[in-house]
Amino acid sequence: AQSVTQPDIHITVSEGASLELRCNYSYGATPYLFWYVQSPGQGLQLLLKYFSGDTLVQGIKGFEAEFKRSQSSFNLRKPSVHWSDAAEYFCAVGAGQAGTALIFGKGTTLSVSS
Amino acid sequence: DGGITQSPKYLFRKEGQNVTLSCEQNLNHDAMYWYRQDPGQGLRLIYYSQIVNDFQKGDIAEGYSVSREKKESFPLTVTSAQKNPTAFYLCASRKATGDGYTFGSGTRLTVV
Repeated sequence: AQSVTQPDIHITVSEGASLELRCNYSYGATPYLFWYVQSPGQGLQLLLKYFSGDTLVQGIKGFEAEFKRSQSSFNLRKPSVHWSDAAEYFCAVGAGQAGTALIFGKGTTLSVSS
Repeated sequence: DGGITQSPKYLFRKEGQNVTLSCEQNLNHDAMYWYRQDPGQGLRLIYYSQIVNDFQKGDIAEGYSVSREKKESFPLTVTSAQKNPTAFYLCASRKATGDGYTFGSGTRLTVV
């Protein structure tokens, strides 16, 4: 079955510290992978995406993610977290062909402590 | 600027009433989607549409209905058959397969 697992429900990181949010997926075909961020009561904003090529992708707001096929993972990282990064983060996976929708993980809530 | 507009932002309805949530996009995107978000549950797919006058059920379509009469519009009706309709509803669109979604800002529906 196709699925996305975000093992960490809630993470707290000190401001200025590094961040890694985990994402594991199960998908039968070559996956298209995405990370989104959501502020409370708002829609989701695309941080970055991976289709093919370089397995380390750069996104907006200083985020990056690394695709590891052998581990079925697509972890999100940021070298130095800012208080404004506190939000909920969603990993998603989709197919390359038409007629499909993205499958989302249950999300990881990031809190930033001062 | 192009984007997706969901209205209203907050909606209150009495139990047993049908209610329609609006989703309009001016991005010229072909595909549109409705997701439901509950705390700790992530996003669950209700319905999606790849082209006008065609749509497919998602994982939790029971108690919901949609229409796609225009490319720009994809309204969602929450019917009285939906057992637990109180939730945050998100509409999204995308231009081509493999693209990321563009999301609206959501509608919070509360049924009392």
